[in-house]
Amino acid sequence: DADVTQTPRNRITKTGKRIMLECSQTKGHDRMYWYRQDPGLGLQLIYYSFDVKDINKGEISDGYSVSRQAQAKFSLSLESAIPNQTALYFCATSDSGQANNEQFFGPGTRLTVL
Amino acid sequence: GNSVTQMEGPVTLSEEAFLTINCTYTATGYPSLFWYVQYPGEGLQLLLKATKADDKGSNKGFEATYRKETTSFHLEKGSVQVSDSAVYFCALSGYTGGFKTIFGAGTRLFVKA
Repeated sequence: DADVTQTPRNRITKTGKRIMLECSQTKGHDRMYWYRQDPGLGLQLIYYSFDVKDINKGEISDGYSVSRQAQAKFSLSLESAIPNQTALYFCATSDSGQANNEQFFGPGTRLTVL
Repeated sequence: GNSVTQMEGPVTLSEEAFLTINCTYTATGYPSLFWYVQYPGEGLQLLLKATKADDKGSNKGFEATYRKETTSFHLEKGSVQVSDSAVYFCALSGYTGGFKTIFGAGTRLFVKA
């Protein structure tokens, strides 16, 4: 079984709709992240959480919100989706006990906003 | 702030050719350096890492050496295979960046049989 899972894997929605992407992990890691991937732009950090009660904005948080429901769960919401939020979204985890902060990624969610 | 610059792709090679993907970084302090690989339809996975100057990371025939004097971490492989076709990301993470990971833009590699 995958250590980091994301649901849904694919989603097509319309402008103005509220969307939630979910991430779960069984690695026991305390840190979790949401990234967005656009062609040629690498990964951009949306939000990150170093603990259940810790939420931090990344480079491109506008238009997004997150919730850390438990150590193992970190969800990303688009309150009112717009077409330029069409992208591939990745959840990742890391362990604060590892000094180098290696990250472990989920398989991604492909979101299309029409 | 911290940043990573890697060569633009795509890179197209024939099977058994030598591969180099250049990566340079800007950072304060002593970050850890990584190469991640993304195969089609999948998330990123760690390929190799180096945590201090002059360290060499290696995995699956790929190598990269942490060069502090040139602020570089170039990825190399002596003989690529079709199965190496993927997108490769250089990345860094360190205390001065709040332990966030900064990724390069990615380099797509195509290997022809």
